[in-house]
Amino acid sequence: AQSVAQPEDQVNVAEGNPLTVKCTYSVSGNPYLFWYVQYPNRGLQFLLKYITGDNLVKGSYGFEAEFNKSQTSFHLKKPSALVSDSALYFCAVRKGDTGTASKLTFGTGTRLQVTL
Amino acid sequence: EAQVTQNPRYLITVTGKKLTVTCSQNMNHEYMSWYRQDPGLGLRQIYYSMNVEVTDKGDVPEGYKVSRKEKRNFPLILESPSPNQTSLYFCASSFLTQRETQYFGPGTRLLVL
Repeated sequence: AQSVAQPEDQVNVAEGNPLTVKCTYSVSGNPYLFWYVQYPNRGLQFLLKYITGDNLVKGSYGFEAEFNKSQTSFHLKKPSALVSDSALYFCAVRKGDTGTASKLTFGTGTRLQVTL
Repeated sequence: EAQVTQNPRYLITVTGKKLTVTCSQNMNHEYMSWYRQDPGLGLRQIYYSMNVEVTDKGDVPEGYKVSRKEKRNFPLILESPSPNQTSLYFCASSFLTQRETQYFGPGTRLLVL
């Protein structure tokens, strides 16, 4: 069975500092990996994805994520945090190379708090 | 405007009283899905549908039913709600080959007394 772990319930960072939100995964075969963000009282919004190719993927709002196959990780990063980045972040995985059949599994979420 | 709508947004009900949460999308998406979000558990998939009249169970289908009679609508039915179904529910949709970029509805907060 596939799974996603987000080891931190909350990450606190000062505005202007770099941020990292951690994610590790478990899936058989090649993974497709995703990050989503949820702002208060809103549904999830897609941020970025890794399917294949370059291990560093760039997404919306200046976020990027690095795929590390040996460590089975897909950490979300941003060089300089903004207060407006404060939200709940979800990592997700699905099994690649299976066409449309595989399901998406979400982590438990990490709350990012950016302060002035 | 492309969107997924859910109704109602908030609902308080009592144990055993059947309810339906509607979900509608205007993007001609084949794939639709229902999730529940609970603290410490993240999002868990309840049911999904790959097209009209095609539905399948997700990770936590017990106590729920769905139907997909039309492409745009995917209602979630709780035949006999129980307090453990108190949760925040999200409907989502996407094209079948682009499920990573699912569009999520605004959520329905359900309280079962």
